Amino acid sequence: DTGVSQDPRHKITKRGQNVTFRCDPISEHNRLYWYRQTLGQGPEFLTYFQNEAQLEKSRLLSDRFSAERPKGSFSTLEIQRTEQGDSAMYLCASSQVEGRDEQYFGPGTRLTVT
Amino acid sequence: GDSVTQMEGPVTLSEEAFLTINCTYTATGYPSLFWYVQYPGEGLQLLLKATKADDKGSNKGFEATYRKETTSFHLEKGSVQVSDSAVYFCALNSGGYQKVTFGTGTKLQVIP
Repeated sequence: DTGVSQDPRHKITKRGQNVTFRCDPISEHNRLYWYRQTLGQGPEFLTYFQNEAQLEKSRLLSDRFSAERPKGSFSTLEIQRTEQGDSAMYLCASSQVEGRDEQYFGPGTRLTVT
Repeated sequence: GDSVTQMEGPVTLSEEAFLTINCTYTATGYPSLFWYVQYPGEGLQLLLKATKADDKGSNKGFEATYRKETTSFHLEKGSVQVSDSAVYFCALNSGGYQKVTFGTGTKLQVIP
């Protein structure tokens, strides 16, 4: 079990550019989540997938954000026309379907928009 | 909506001191409660959990008891070590899709 992996770990981009992050969940986990964590705060929920279906999106997820999970395996989070306010740590987590199992988090992708 | 309130940090303790980090919550229904830990430069790791009232979660010498009557889930450790220095997050989930709601985190620094 290799755990949840995310790529890249760090991304520096200029304002207005598009960025894409990838998350590979634990292989047997059906549910996949994206969170955003800003400095000094706890993670905030962005969106959730069960298999390939995106079932919930937070109000935090503006139209510039899009997430996909083709074939119910890895997921990508794309931010278009980045803004300085998008600078944060983007965390991916996965869990199993049954019960209220804990979510397992990846190491995160730290985005810096200059 | 769901919310978690935890004591503000940073908390600075000497090695072998007793640790308490307070956490209270607001939620609908009967949430599961968690403590996550984030070591410097690393991702979130589950420290312990409790899924129903009066359950006690424990791991690595840390404990927390699910108190429904006071809606609390305080984290305790009898003797902290320098290696416990990290940020601790109290969290809950109660939604049908298990969205986790986190507190703002409490930074713990243990000095030798």
